[in-house]
Amino acid sequence: QVQLQESGPGLVKPSETLSLTCTVSGGSISAYYWNWIRQPPGKGLEWIGYIYSTGKTYYNPSLKSRVIMSVDTSKDQVSLKLTSVTAADTAVYYCARELQLWGQGTLVTVSS
Amino acid sequence: DIQMTQSPSSLSASVGDRVTITCRASQDIINDLGWFQQKPGKAPKRLIHAVSILQDGVPSRFSGSGSGTEFTLTINSLQPEDFATYYCLQHRSYPYTFGQGTKLEIK
Repeated sequence: QVQLQESGPGLVKPSETLSLTCTVSGGSISAYYWNWIRQPPGKGLEWIGYIYSTGKTYYNPSLKSRVIMSVDTSKDQVSLKLTSVTAADTAVYYCARELQLWGQGTLVTVSS
Repeated sequence: DIQMTQSPSSLSASVGDRVTITCRASQDIINDLGWFQQKPGKAPKRLIHAVSILQDGVPSRFSGSGSGTEFTLTINSLQPEDFATYYCLQHRSYPYTFGQGTKLEIK
């Protein structure tokens, strides 16, 4: 049974870089689109972008200047970096395979 | 960006009721639409993709319909476990966009 698990610091200071990893267990990274989605507390869902297993990416233009996604097929991991964070980036961050299989999400709070 | 306008934003209903949630797209998205259910503190779960195809394990009381710019999610004979927030998502055009959500509450 394939499972996704997001991990990373739960607290990030303003202006710093948010870094998250999504580890895939029970399956392979290959030949799938890996999406990142976020949800501010009490609010709706925002699609951040995706990375394909070959490394092809598409980022939401609203975040494009600050987002970097990467994939490590040897570790079955995908990663998200969001630079120059502000309080508006406080959210639960989810990774999702093909928008069908989701991780449980991880809350990242931006605060000094 | 394609705007997804979801209505209603909240809905009160009773066990056994039939409810319908609508999503309107600001432009034609053909059939690139999915519906998600989210319970408090949990990740969204995709119920339906390609407008009307149920994910494995999703009860048949859930159904989706529509095409082009107007889409509906119908839940027949509401069960207690169906009270949740529902979102539509279009993936026809970048960036993918979600509806604002519909919170389905027990009357």
